[in-house]
Amino acid sequence: GQNIDQPTEMTATEGAIVQINCTYQTSGFNGLFWYQQHAGEAPTFLSYNVLDGLEEKGRFSSFLSRSKGYSYLLLKELQMKDSASYLCAVTSYKYIFGTGTRLKVLA
Amino acid sequence: GAVVSQHPSWVICKSGTSVKIECRSLDFQATTMFWYRQFPKQSLMLMATSNEGSKATYEQGVEKDKFLINHASLTLSTLTVTSAHPEDSSFYICSAPPVPGLAGANEQFFGPGTRLTVL
Repeated sequence: GQNIDQPTEMTATEGAIVQINCTYQTSGFNGLFWYQQHAGEAPTFLSYNVLDGLEEKGRFSSFLSRSKGYSYLLLKELQMKDSASYLCAVTSYKYIFGTGTRLKVLA
Repeated sequence: GAVVSQHPSWVICKSGTSVKIECRSLDFQATTMFWYRQFPKQSLMLMATSNEGSKATYEQGVEKDKFLINHASLTLSTLTVTSAHPEDSSFYICSAPPVPGLAGANEQFFGPGTRLTVL
């Protein structure tokens, strides 16, 4: 079956670093996405990984290990505006979204 | 480029009525659109994939007679929730798959979503 797991909630302090993990089991794999979603809004694209390794983009980095079915999103220098849900999505013949992680950044 | 719009952004209706949600690709042509539903504090669940010129493909457990999808043109896909009930209240989002040649060639382009509340 298709399964993508993420922690339900995380809390971190402003200025800190947080890592959000995602594990997946899918029948195919064409890439893994991370999206940010604020309440009541559509998801916005953060990163895309198709090969193993780390992709860095400003304060956000995403890592992929295809052999382990594992990815993480790393957020550095956390800001209050980073409080949102973070969705991991795997593409095979369609997009499958993970359960999402609600991140709360505290002052 | 690659902007997707949805209309309406929110709608409140009475139980038993039908509601149509429009999804438009504004500056590109989309032969395929994905329709998602998202309940509060949950992730996006793919409902169906609409295809211009052919029937939509529905995910398992989604009633095709209740959620009517029509891909009328290369820039318009619609989702009609027929005989809506309170349990259909949700956030409905459409998205277009990656478009070769456009910026962000691997990402979906999401519409802003439609909040449906059925009383």
